[in-house]
Amino acid sequence: GAVVSQHPSRVICKSGTSVKIECRSLDFQATTMFWYRQFPKKSLMLMATSNEGSKATYEQGVEKDKFLINHASLTLSTLTVTSAHPEDSSFYICSAKDRTGGNEQFFGPGTRLTVL
Amino acid sequence: RKEVEQDPGPFNVPEGATVAFNCTYSNSASQSFFWYRQDCRKEPKLLMSVYSSGNEDGRFTAQLNRASQYISLLIRDSKLSDSATYLCVVNRGGSQGNLIFGKGTKLSVKP
Repeated sequence: GAVVSQHPSRVICKSGTSVKIECRSLDFQATTMFWYRQFPKKSLMLMATSNEGSKATYEQGVEKDKFLINHASLTLSTLTVTSAHPEDSSFYICSAKDRTGGNEQFFGPGTRLTVL
Repeated sequence: RKEVEQDPGPFNVPEGATVAFNCTYSNSASQSFFWYRQDCRKEPKLLMSVYSSGNEDGRFTAQLNRASQYISLLIRDSKLSDSATYLCVVNRGGSQGNLIFGKGTKLSVKP
C-alpha cells in the first residue's frame, strides 16, 4: 500500500528557532500534499495544500511567512515553522495524493512539535 | 455552521454492542465522504469511504444521505479494539480535493 513518512517524529526546540518537517511519499508520486495541524482534543485542521513545482495554497488564518512550504519533487514536501513559539506546539501531519488518481489521501505518522 | 459536525462523545459501550455515529456537512458541493479512525497520538487511518448507495465492510456500515447532507457509521458487535476516535471527513469539492475533518467522536468499548 501507499506509504507516507514524516521526519522527525518528535522535536523539542527553544522558542525562536525554526523547525523543518519532511513529508515523503515512499512508493508513489504525489503532485499534491497536504499539511494539517492538530491541537490536543481538537480536530485536524488543514493548514495548506502543497503542489509540486508551485506555491502552496494556505488556508485562511495560516501565516504563509511563518509556515514555509516547499514541494520541490514528486515525493517530498517540507514544512518549516519559522521562529517557533510555544503556541505552535502541536501535532503536524502531512498527507499525499497519488498522482495516478483517486481521492484517497495517505497520511504520514505525524510530527509532534514542542516549543519550550 | 461548521463544515463538518459530529455527535459529541464519548460513547462508552460494552463489548458486543451496536453503536451508531452521525455526521452532518454544510457544503452541498462535496463529492467524497469518508470515515477515518484515529488512535491516541497517531495519524488518522482510512476506515471506509461512504457511497450514496450505502456500503458495508464486515461489522461496519456507512450510509450517506445527500439530500439531508448526513453521514452515518454503524458498528456492530463492538470489539475492544474498536476503541478509538472516529472522524467524519468530507471532501470540500473542487480540483484540490481538500479534506475537512470533523472533530471526531471518541468510542470506548469496555469488557
